[in-house]
Amino acid sequence: EVQLLESGGGLVQPGGSLRLSCAASGFTFSSYAMGWLRQPPGKGLEWVLSLTGSGDRTYYADSVKGRFTISRDNSKNTLYLQMNTLRADDTAVYYCAKDYGGNSGAYNFWGQGTLVTVSS
Amino acid sequence: DIQMTQSPSSLSASVGDRVTITCRASQRINSNLNWYQQKPGKAPELLIYAASSLQSGVPSRFSGGGSGTDFTLIISGLQPEDFATYSCQQTYSLPLTFGGGTKVEIK
Repeated sequence: EVQLLESGGGLVQPGGSLRLSCAASGFTFSSYAMGWLRQPPGKGLEWVLSLTGSGDRTYYADSVKGRFTISRDNSKNTLYLQMNTLRADDTAVYYCAKDYGGNSGAYNFWGQGTLVTVSS
Repeated sequence: DIQMTQSPSSLSASVGDRVTITCRASQRINSNLNWYQQKPGKAPELLIYAASSLQSGVPSRFSGGGSGTDFTLIISGLQPEDFATYSCQQTYSLPLTFGGGTKVEIK
């Protein structure tokens, strides 16, 4: 059974940093691209970043470029999201998600989400 | 960026109804269109990928169609567990973008 478990969310001040983790199990982690997506309270879904199974290519939304970094440790089956220079409009539930296959951009498994609140 | 526009933004329907949700892309995206279902407080779940392919485990009352710029999600015979928000997503080009969602409520 595929499981994705996010952690690391919480309250942070504007300009601060936070690191999210996503522990994966139930599939061959290194074989699949992974992504981080977010959903501001009461709003729609937004793709944020993704990277290939080997981690050699990363893709970013313009809204987070230069501030957020996605990485993975395939030996630990874990995906990371380093968030720096956080802004109020980064407030959202952050989901890690497994790509369907072939770096398609379709996500067939999602974690339960972790809430990041940026506020003073 | 490719803009995805869903309609309606919400609808009320009864158990057993046939429900149609549409999604329009601001430019041609071939069949690079997925549909997700999301219930309150839960993560999205993939229903349909590549416009018309049913994700494993999804009931056959869900179907998707379309190509180019116009797409539909049809629920044939709405069930109580189908009351949720449905969102389309294009994977034709980066950034990946989603529609604003359609909330299906009980009439």
